[in-house]
Amino acid sequence: KQEVTQIPAALSVPEGENLVLNCSFTDSAIYNLQWFRQDPGKGLTSLLLIQSSQREQTSGRLNASLDKSSGRSTLYIAASQPGDSATYLCAASQPGGGGADGLTFGKGTHLIIQP
Amino acid sequence: EADIYQTPRYLVIGTGKKITLECSQTMGHDKMYWYQQDPGMELHLIHYSYGVNSTEKGDLSSESTVSRIRTEHFPLTLESARPSHTSQYLCASRGPPTYGYTFGSGTRLTVV
Repeated sequence: KQEVTQIPAALSVPEGENLVLNCSFTDSAIYNLQWFRQDPGKGLTSLLLIQSSQREQTSGRLNASLDKSSGRSTLYIAASQPGDSATYLCAASQPGGGGADGLTFGKGTHLIIQP
Repeated sequence: EADIYQTPRYLVIGTGKKITLECSQTMGHDKMYWYQQDPGMELHLIHYSYGVNSTEKGDLSSESTVSRIRTEHFPLTLESARPSHTSQYLCASRGPPTYGYTFGSGTRLTVV
């Protein structure tokens, strides 16, 4: 059964810093890996989707990498801003996962960017 | 612009009432999902559907039920709400396996 782990569980950094959020998964037989952002009491907003055949995806100040062989993904946030404060979730999509081909979520990294 | 819509956004209701949480998507996705999330906690899959007339229970046992009569619509029903049902309920959909998931804004349910 797929297990997804996110480190750190919480992170607080000053505005302007570059930071890296880590995600690891135990089963490399994935369709893709998706990074989400969740603001308190809100739904999930998709940030980046990396297919199993890809190594990285970029959107603005965000860059996500994927290393299937080692079961790892990272989300890099450049020049962090207070508006980046949120919980960041990674989720692996694979056959036979939750919902037969659903997502397995990590517990998230709670990020606070200090002004 | 959201392609998956959940209503209501917030709901406070008394114990014993029947409630239906609505979820609709405009993307023509066959696969739809319901997740439950307690404050500050993980998401847990409670129901999913592969298409019209298909419904399955997820990893987390739930007293709720779902139906899928139309592709775009996947409502969740609680026949008799209890305080233990207080939570946030998130609906999601997806196209082919290599496509990402799209989530709605969620319904925050409080049963008093």
